[in-house]
Amino acid sequence: QSVLTQPPSVSGAPRQRVTISCSGSSFNIGNNAVNWYQQVPGKAPRLLIYYNDLLPSGVSDRFSGSKSGTSASLAISGLQSEDEADYYCAAWDESRNAVVFGGGTKVTVL
Amino acid sequence: QVHLQESGPGLVKPSETLSLTCAVSGGSISSYYWSWIRQSPGKGLEWIGYIYYTGSSNYNPSLKSRATILVDTSKNQFSLKLTSVTAADTAVYYCARFNWDAGQYLDYGMDVWGQGTTVTVSS
Repeated sequence: QSVLTQPPSVSGAPRQRVTISCSGSSFNIGNNAVNWYQQVPGKAPRLLIYYNDLLPSGVSDRFSGSKSGTSASLAISGLQSEDEADYYCAAWDESRNAVVFGGGTKVTVL
Repeated sequence: QVHLQESGPGLVKPSETLSLTCAVSGGSISSYYWSWIRQSPGKGLEWIGYIYYTGSSNYNPSLKSRATILVDTSKNQFSLKLTSVTAADTAVYYCARFNWDAGQYLDYGMDVWGQGTTVTVSS
């Protein structure tokens, strides 16, 4: 069981907007930054959002992140077939002194 | 452009030690933190630990002190050793650059990843 909780799957039609939630506690999300990773099957993860809502160079601005209290969200607008992947949230956990991940959310484009 | 490449045996026997190396090219290993992450078949990501180029390190307590990460600045590489492996350690192992602010305890994410190497624990 993962420390951070994500829905197993979300889906949406092309051009729609989908959101992925990530729930944690005061030990992780509540007091630390959240990062999001995208993983296409068979490939290494890619940093998608860092420090809650910042986009690394080269990442489409269709992706956005937010955080409130002990929860965070990733939004994908204008959904495209290339967005089909697994998405993971992550944060530093003060009680474990380690990075913890969510269980991952599979995004399907209908 | 920094590039990471994992290497090591793809098959390890139960109770033995898993040893992997991550070669860093296109940039210096100095002034950065570096991490190992693994992913069991069909499962999510698990952070193993990090090392700084000075040798300072930190590990996920879930591994119960079985993991050791070392750095070799002369070869621009770092390594992972995991002792007393079992079938549960079968996974794809990734190395990554870890953007960690130790003074502020701020994690800015892992922005450069290796392609991953599959390790199977089996007799």
